[in-house]
Amino acid sequence: NAGVTQNPKFQVLKTGQSMTLQCAQDMNHNSMYWYRQDPGMGLRLIYYSASEGTTDKGEVPNGYNVSRLNKREFSLRLESAAPSQTSVYFCASSETAGLPDTEAFFGQGTRLTVV
Amino acid sequence: QQPVQSPQAVILREGEDAVINCSSSKALYSVHWYRQKHGEAPVFLMILLKGGEQKGHDKISASFNEKKQQSSLYLTASQLSYSGTYFCGTRKDFGNEKLTFGTGTRLTIIP
Repeated sequence: NAGVTQNPKFQVLKTGQSMTLQCAQDMNHNSMYWYRQDPGMGLRLIYYSASEGTTDKGEVPNGYNVSRLNKREFSLRLESAAPSQTSVYFCASSETAGLPDTEAFFGQGTRLTVV
Repeated sequence: QQPVQSPQAVILREGEDAVINCSSSKALYSVHWYRQKHGEAPVFLMILLKGGEQKGHDKISASFNEKKQQSSLYLTASQLSYSGTYFCGTRKDFGNEKLTFGTGTRLTIIP
């Protein structure tokens, strides 16, 4: 059982380049999330998806787009990377349908550097 | 809006106790607590629900004050393994999938 898998683990981009961060979960969860983690700022929500076919903005969506390709996969795209997007990106998933609340499971993260 | 955690960082000797606080400006339905070791992903500790009881396992427990929109994480007789960064995560309503995390508290335990 792999849980939440992110690819790539590390990436260096030049300013203006584009890339897609991949995330897949094998727990049949409805909800998926993208966070960025920067020193002193905690985990900030970029986008989330409550179910297949739906996406919503989080706190810091500017400069990003997402696609919920199917129930398993939720990708994050940087169309024109900027140095301010240098960060560690975490994907997470959870299942709350019919439940009071449950834990979120995180991927191992993608360390992105934009030069 | 992110919940605010305090303190930002704390250093303790092994065996001492710590309290980490999480505050929100809006009403909350649930509070999650996670611990992250350096270079790793956050790992779930516990969830507290509105109207629920104080939770705990081993020497880590937490409370949730709904009226004040605050939660506190209590670590007693701290061990070296407790070192890491602690995050609270919050949901505002039942069925609301948006999960917002706080700014984090770095806990360092020294022998």
